[in-house]
Amino acid sequence: DAGITQSPRHKVTETGTPVTLRCHQTENHRYMYWYRQDPGHGLRLIHYSYGVKDTDKGEVSDGYSVSRSKTEDFLLTLESATSSQTSVYFCAISSGGGPHNEQFFGPGTRLTVL
Amino acid sequence: AQKVTQAQTEISVVEKEDVTLDCVYETRDTTYYLFWYKQPPSGELVFLIRRNSFDEQNEISGRYSWNFQKSTSSFNFTITASQVVDSAVYFCALSERNNDMRFGAGTRLTVKP
Repeated sequence: DAGITQSPRHKVTETGTPVTLRCHQTENHRYMYWYRQDPGHGLRLIHYSYGVKDTDKGEVSDGYSVSRSKTEDFLLTLESATSSQTSVYFCAISSGGGPHNEQFFGPGTRLTVL
Repeated sequence: AQKVTQAQTEISVVEKEDVTLDCVYETRDTTYYLFWYKQPPSGELVFLIRRNSFDEQNEISGRYSWNFQKSTSSFNFTITASQVVDSAVYFCALSERNNDMRFGAGTRLTVKP
């Protein structure tokens, strides 16, 4: 158990509204990641962080922003949600302090944009 | 560009059969890392194995084994004597020097009693 929680676990929202998903970890890991999972695509990286206030874009970052003001929290924001952002969102941490170590995932957040 | 290909979308076997899940990757880096993850019906993602590009030794862990072949850019996963509890979606993933981890689309394995 890597001590990762995500909130909320489920959310239904309407097109055009802002949405923030939270990832919280308890073990002081440096690297944190946000992925989305869609059928036929596996998991795709949205953004990642390599320290407080240090973030970078992943493969599918358009329409998303992130913030990391504390080591333990990594927030994903959809500024204006669209139906194409309906997905399951997973947060992950990288063990061992490096980006190429195994990642451990949170339980996921199922987001539906109507 | 697709960097990790899992050509088998779905596989169905009967309990006690052996099954191999294929993974083919694409990279120009000489240093890279390969992973397998399991996602059971409950939805969580479970880490199974990590391999670096300099270690081509096959690995066995109980009923699970992995065959890494750089010559064919493959990292295949075999389950011996499959069980119903092995039913899950299995993902292969590649991590290169740019810190991204790229996942394949996954293979859904169903093991029937």
